[in-house]
Amino acid sequence: DGGITQSPKYLFRKEGQNVTLSCEQNLNHDAMYWYRQDPGQGLRLIYYSQIVNDFQKGDIAEGYSVSREKKESFPLTVTSAQKNPTAFYLCASSMGRLENTFGSGTRLTVV
Amino acid sequence: GIQVEQSPPDLILQEGANSTLRCNFSDSVNNLQWFHQNPWGQLINLFYIPSGTKQNGRLSATTVATERYSLLYISSSQTTDSGVYFCAVGGGATNKLIFGTGTLLAVQP
Repeated sequence: DGGITQSPKYLFRKEGQNVTLSCEQNLNHDAMYWYRQDPGQGLRLIYYSQIVNDFQKGDIAEGYSVSREKKESFPLTVTSAQKNPTAFYLCASSMGRLENTFGSGTRLTVV
Repeated sequence: GIQVEQSPPDLILQEGANSTLRCNFSDSVNNLQWFHQNPWGQLINLFYIPSGTKQNGRLSATTVATERYSLLYISSSQTTDSGVYFCAVGGGATNKLIFGTGTLLAVQP
């Protein structure tokens, strides 16, 4: 079955550490996205990529970095510069103007 | 950018009741999706509906693009319908989504 796989489901980060969240899709979608969700809030866009080797900042990109070396993969790194990284992170993909499909998310907690 | 407003923010129903959720948006869009977020956080795509009307079982949705709103209808609600319902829209050259703040639905037995 085609879909989006995010890993890990739960991640704990110490202060000052960088961590990388994985997002892989086998839907052959061109575009991929990373969103952040805080408790009781909607989702906000962090970064997006419309084609391989190209990506753009979303609304809340500070403290995050991404890469898009392969069509199937769009990893997100939460750097130590992100002051409040505890959140639920969701990855999505789409083809053209059609619907976005989401992964099951990663919960990141700073300890 | 496009603003998305959802109403009501919270809704409590008895099992079997019907409900209507509303999504208003501030500009023309070429993508509109309704999602249900389950208690584990997964976003389940209910409808892709930039215009027109669609039905899927007990759920249906209508988007009136010229008047910039969309409605999600839930009929004969069940406890498994509980969760947060999000409306998200996209416009312009990309398909990135802008989310509303959601409607928290609780269906009581």
